[in-house]
Amino acid sequence: QKEVEQNSGPLSVPEGAIASLNCTYSDRGSQSFFWYRQYSGKSPELIMFIYSNGDKEDGRFTAQLNKASQYVSLLIRDSQPSDSATYLCAVNNPGGFKTIFGAGTRLFVKA
Amino acid sequence: KAGVTQTPRYLIKTRGQQVTLSCSPISGHRSVSWYQQTPGQGLQFLFEYFSETQRNKGNFPGRFSGRQFSNSRSEMNVSTLELGDSALYLCASSLSTGTDTQYFGPGTRLTVL
Repeated sequence: QKEVEQNSGPLSVPEGAIASLNCTYSDRGSQSFFWYRQYSGKSPELIMFIYSNGDKEDGRFTAQLNKASQYVSLLIRDSQPSDSATYLCAVNNPGGFKTIFGAGTRLFVKA
Repeated sequence: KAGVTQTPRYLIKTRGQQVTLSCSPISGHRSVSWYQQTPGQGLQFLFEYFSETQRNKGNFPGRFSGRQFSNSRSEMNVSTLELGDSALYLCASSLSTGTDTQYFGPGTRLTVL
């Protein structure tokens, strides 16, 4: 079992729709969770981080965390073609002093 | 505040050679992590440094090594290059270790011929 798992996609949604990206992790000791966006040929850029169970909203983005189910998700409302990218879920366990990344989900937003 | 910088941005080497990559973290950040990214394996953790000490290492052979200097700048070295070492090498910095957010540099694209 991979430490951080994501559906590789591609996930295709029409412009204006809600895109839902999911991630599961295996280490129950994980304490911080991140979503990064990576455009082709570029380095990952941080979208959001979440530490506590529940929802966290930032503009069109909402991160959801359920530690009991070991599940993290990212919702993108009013999706735009510029949101087309690979989205990486990352999980940090401070005891291990490392961050583990999922393989990423490719998102296509059709105009 | 300047972001994470990596040099060089592109590198072409031949098998058997060695290479050194450099990373300068964001000012004030003391933790530097290195990752290898390939299309097939995604982002793989190489190692993490904090205050000149390696705190963790990923599952890579001993040919991959790194160090961190007192000004938090970090270098990674790959000896006896193999074709499979061709990848994008990313450096990320954070304030410290633990729950801090990591910020990535632009990466060094290494091609081994």
